[in-house]
Amino acid sequence: KQEVTQIPAALSVPEGENLVLNCSFTDSAIYNLQWFRQDPGKGLTSLLLIQSSQREQTSGRLNASLDKSSGRSTLYIAASQPGDSATYLCAVSSGNQFYFGTGTSLTVIP
Amino acid sequence: GAGVSQTPSNKVTEKGKYVELRCDPISGHTALYWYRQSLGQGPEFLIYFQGTGAADDSGLPNDRFFAVRPEGSVSTLKIQRTERGDSAVYLCASSPTGFSGNTIYFGEGSWLTVV
Repeated sequence: KQEVTQIPAALSVPEGENLVLNCSFTDSAIYNLQWFRQDPGKGLTSLLLIQSSQREQTSGRLNASLDKSSGRSTLYIAASQPGDSATYLCAVSSGNQFYFGTGTSLTVIP
Repeated sequence: GAGVSQTPSNKVTEKGKYVELRCDPISGHTALYWYRQSLGQGPEFLIYFQGTGAADDSGLPNDRFFAVRPEGSVSTLKIQRTERGDSAVYLCASSPTGFSGNTIYFGEGSWLTVV
């Protein structure tokens, strides 16, 4: 069974700092990997989707990389802002399912 | 509608009662997923529909849980004889096709509390 791990579980940084969130998965047979953002009491919002054949995707201040062979992905957030405070979840698709990590709770301090 | 819609947004029920949770996916999306998320955890897969049929129900925890999608659009998750351990947020997501390479779009969730 696919297992997804996210490190760190929580992160607190001052505004303006660049930061990296990590995601690892045990089975490299995936279709894609997605990064989501979840605000308290809300659903999940898709940030970036990386297909298994791709190495990275960028959207604004966000850059996600994928190393399928080693089972790793990183989400890089540049010039963090207080509005970036949320929980960030990664999910990998295998078979019919998307397998989620437990998330990294990010706090950006003004 | 513009996004995935879930009702009710909050539900408090007594132990042993029956509960129905509704999901209205994005129009035209053939794939629909139900997930369950407990506090501090990531979402856990429950069931996946392709059209009207349940293509994978391996995540349903036991026979108290059942889901239908009779016309290939709206889906209902049904929980019988609710237990306190069923308390969680139930998330619905839809995707344009059954191909796992597509982005999936989540609703805001139905927060279930069993007392």
